[in-house]
This record gives sequence, structure tokens and C-alpha cells, in this order.
Amino acid sequence: GESVGLHLPTLSVQEGDNSIINCAYSNSASDYFIWYKQESGKGPQFIIDIRSNMDKRQGQRVTVLLNKTVKHLSLQIAATQPGDSAVYFCAEKGASGTYKYIFGTGTRLKVLA
Amino acid sequence: DTAVSQTPKYLVTQMGNDKSIKCEQNLGHDTMYWYKQDSKKFLKIMFSYNNKELIINETVPNRFSPKSPDKAHLNLHINSLELGDSAVYFCASSQTSTGIQETQYFGPGTRLLVL
Repeated sequence: GESVGLHLPTLSVQEGDNSIINCAYSNSASDYFIWYKQESGKGPQFIIDIRSNMDKRQGQRVTVLLNKTVKHLSLQIAATQPGDSAVYFCAEKGASGTYKYIFGTGTRLKVLA
Repeated sequence: DTAVSQTPKYLVTQMGNDKSIKCEQNLGHDTMYWYKQDSKKFLKIMFSYNNKELIINETVPNRFSPKSPDKAHLNLHINSLELGDSAVYFCASSQTSTGIQETQYFGPGTRLLVL
């Protein structure tokens, strides 16, 4: 089912360390997943996406892992920088023909100097 | 150059007023969305239009009425504003044809404060 409003979890990471942000998605039929980054006062910004026929996808400093067995998605950020501080959302989209995206509750990433 | 733009960026108004928020995308996408983000940052979809046709209409008070004059525009009109309508409203767009990247692109948001 859809997430309801919960307290925003926070992940604090030392600058230079790797960050892992997790997301549990709701619909086993979802076939497309996106990670977004939302900085303060801005709209969500696309980071990386993955389709359900893959279990891993890499971008620049970011990797998304998909585990369909347990409906789990993770975002790994290598060598975290102060500019990575933001709220991160995962979003899932149902099978082809569905227009609806369902967003997770979000995780706030704080990068410590 | 802005891909998805919204106006106004800030909107402060009295309870009971009627207001509109406008959204435009220059990405050539065929689908547009309105989301509401509450104080806990939760993003909830409200409406979606595909080629000017309403395709998603979530459980939203009928004081909210979207209107899509063309594929590139999706406006949101709100009647009789209430305190609980205070939130950030985001417009987004995507291309939904099979085989084309379906990423949603978001606008900068409209911060609505109802007094």
C-alpha cells in the first residue's frame, strides 16, 4: 500500500565515506524505479533509475540496487560530499500502462565535515 | 531553458479565497502531474493528465480542479482555500510512450500558505 506521513528518517555520514539509503517499495508488479534528490527549497531532481529486469545500475558516484524478492531498493553514494546533503526519495511505477508513481517517505542525508 | 516551470513560486492568501497555480513544460512530454508535499516531506500525487486527458484523480477535495489547455500546460485551481491546503505543490512531467525513458521531471514547486 501507499506510505503514510511518517517522521523523516535521517542518515548522518562523514564526508568522504560511502552512503547507503534504503527503500522498501510496495507493489511487486512495479517495473520501474527512480531515485530523486531534493535539496532545500527545490523540486525533486532525478538521480538514477532502474528497470525491474535489472538488479544493479551504476551512475557517476551512485549505484542503485534492486532486490525484487524482498521489494527493496537501495541507493549507494560513493565518497559522500557536502553537496550530497538533501532528502532522497525512491519512487516506483507500476507495470506498463500505469501512469502513477508512488513515492517513499524519504530519507534526509546529512554529510558531516 | 527551464524544463518544468511553475508560477507563482510563493503564494500567501487568506482562508476562503480562490487561487490558481500554473505549470508549463518545454520537454515535449505527453503526461503532466500535480503533487502535494506536506510538512513531513511526503509527496502525494493528486492529478495526472495524458495528452490533455485526466488519467489520475486521487482522493482530493473537489475544491481542487486541474485544467490542461494543451499538452505543455497543466494548471491547478483551488476554491475556498483552507488552512490544511498549506503545502508545497509540485508539477511534474514525463513521457509515457513505451520504450522511452519514463523519468518524471519536477518543477521548482509553489509554496502555498493559507492564513
